[in-house]
Amino acid sequence: NAGVTQTPKFQVLKTGQSMTLQCAQDMNHNSMYWYRQDPGMGLRLIYYSASEGTTDKGEVPNGYNVSRLNKREFSLRLESAAPSQTSVYFCASSKGLAGPLDEQFFGPGTRLTVL
Amino acid sequence: QKEVEQNSGPLSVPEGAIASLNCTYSDRGSQSFFWYRQYSGKSPELIMSIYSNGDKEDGRFTAQLNKASQYVSLLIRDSQPSDSATYLCASTGNSGYALNFGKGTSLLVTP
Repeated sequence: NAGVTQTPKFQVLKTGQSMTLQCAQDMNHNSMYWYRQDPGMGLRLIYYSASEGTTDKGEVPNGYNVSRLNKREFSLRLESAAPSQTSVYFCASSKGLAGPLDEQFFGPGTRLTVL
Repeated sequence: QKEVEQNSGPLSVPEGAIASLNCTYSDRGSQSFFWYRQYSGKSPELIMSIYSNGDKEDGRFTAQLNKASQYVSLLIRDSQPSDSATYLCASTGNSGYALNFGKGTSLLVTP
């Protein structure tokens, strides 16, 4: 099993450009998440999908959109990139028990720079 | 604001010693707690999870939870240089889905 995979690994954008970060999991998990990690800020939740067909905003959703394409795939779109969106983006997934010990597993990350 | 607080470190321990990492949380509704290890330039890797008061042991790792004091800790016995990493503490809130992460404690194990 590959676990959680993300593409691309690295990306450089110019301000105003758009792009989509792709995430897929092969663990038959119900829930998927997008986080960003910035120095001194820790990991912050952007959006999550508790189950196929649902999405909800996290702590920092502005400037992003998401699509839960199917049970396996959850994409994050930046419509008009800004330098403040320079960050490392992690996708994660979990069984989605909504109870004790719903453990989240992370993908390798996408390192995005917006110039 | 639901916060998870960790000392940023670095915490330096000699090889073979016990490393003690601590975390406090503000949301009394938090049910479960997780410790992740993150090497520089890599993604977080889950190493321990706990939701009941008391201790939970897995190999060289022991997680301790005290809900009355809103305190979580991770003990690493027989620390190795390969344990040198940043350790992230996380808790779940009432929704059961979102994780609140601390900013992490940097651990350095010296040979």
